[in-house]
Amino acid sequence: GNSVTQMEGPVTLSEEAFLTINCTYTATGYPSLFWYVQYPGEGLQLLLKATKADDKGSNKGFEATYRKETTSFHLEKGSVQVSDSAVYFCALMRRSQGNLIFGKGTKLSVKP
Amino acid sequence: SAVISQKPSRDICQRGTSLTIQCQVDSQVTMMFWYRQQPGQSLTLIATANQGSEATYESGFVIDKFPISRPNLTFSTLTVSNMSPEDSSIYLCTFLSGDRGFNEQFFGPGTRLTVL
Repeated sequence: GNSVTQMEGPVTLSEEAFLTINCTYTATGYPSLFWYVQYPGEGLQLLLKATKADDKGSNKGFEATYRKETTSFHLEKGSVQVSDSAVYFCALMRRSQGNLIFGKGTKLSVKP
Repeated sequence: SAVISQKPSRDICQRGTSLTIQCQVDSQVTMMFWYRQQPGQSLTLIATANQGSEATYESGFVIDKFPISRPNLTFSTLTVSNMSPEDSSIYLCTFLSGDRGFNEQFFGPGTRLTVL
């Protein structure tokens, strides 16, 4: 079946530290991959996406590269800010079905 | 891109009652979905809302508990029936956008439900 596994949190970093949140997936075919972010008390927002192998999604300083050979889509940011504190969800979508399958989420706390 | 809204944004309900959540998109969309996010958890798909036919439910979710309507291409409702405290969650609707090659889903703001 289709599934998404992401590193468990919480992750606590100091401001300006480098961030990596690991995400791996299991799927048949070629899914699209997403990172969503949920800030405290807010709804789910799309952070970035990649629709095919070797695509790199990027937004707000965050990046993730679709790696088919390792079935991974790790989220990275070179220098985190306090405002990046949120829960991050990795997700996949099989185009034939259209729905999203989410990982369990990783809570990130950035300290000043 | 289309805008999606949900009503109510939050509610506190008594055990045994039912609540209907409305989801409105400001343009016609092909696929709409309903998800649940239990406290501190990830999102789980409840069902795909099909226009003009019965919804397609995921394992663990049944029509008697979560009846869904989709009368047209811009609107859907989810009813949470005979509620218990375990139904306390955020319920979210989403749609799949043809504008982005069916490669992007947009989430509504969600309905935060508390069952006492």
